[in-house]
Amino acid sequence: EAQVTQNPRYLITVTGKKLTVTCSQNMNHEYMSWYRQDPGLGLRQIYYSMNVEVTDKGDVPEGYKVSRKEKRNFPLILESPSPNQTSLYFCASSLSVGGTPYEQYFGPGTRLTVT
Amino acid sequence: QKEVEQDPGPLSVPEGAIVSLNCTYSNSAFQYFMWYRQYSRKGPELLMYTYSSGNKEDGRFTAQVDKSSKYISLFIRDSQPSDSATYLCAMSFMDTGRRALTFGSGTRLQVQP
Repeated sequence: EAQVTQNPRYLITVTGKKLTVTCSQNMNHEYMSWYRQDPGLGLRQIYYSMNVEVTDKGDVPEGYKVSRKEKRNFPLILESPSPNQTSLYFCASSLSVGGTPYEQYFGPGTRLTVT
Repeated sequence: QKEVEQDPGPLSVPEGAIVSLNCTYSNSAFQYFMWYRQYSRKGPELLMYTYSSGNKEDGRFTAQVDKSSKYISLFIRDSQPSDSATYLCAMSFMDTGRRALTFGSGTRLQVQP
């Protein structure tokens, strides 16, 4: 089954404790992206990756890091989480060539709480 | 002012009703217009997309784009309880590199049986 998986689905942590949210897709997509979803603000892009070893900032990259060492994986790293990073996070992927333009496949989400 | 405005709802309708969901936007450079559906505890899934102005129909769903008014709509005919979800409008520029989507905040729809 074609899908984007994220782990963990739920995470409660404390300020300053480094964490990683994993994202994996099995559709051989070149493009992957991370979004955060907050009430009243919709989804906002954090980072994106056009392909392996190619990453760039989105609209709200402060406090986050990413890496793309393999095509299928795109982990989101919070080196020193703060309470304002409490949010619902989504990973997404899509083809870079062909397919429906801008059709992005989203993972199930990771709900992060930072106390 | 947000780039994309969307009424948060909730919008509650009886089964079989026609539903109209709307978004307004401020940036005239947007070229792609999408509607995503998000069920509770799930990620968004693409429902429909339209390039530039015009209408697009897919079964019970019709998407409309009026670029002159900076207004997009999604109509759902013969609404079903299974349509109960949050509907997110999204827009994008012609740039195919970053593929950034600008989302509305979503409208929660409840279809009562």
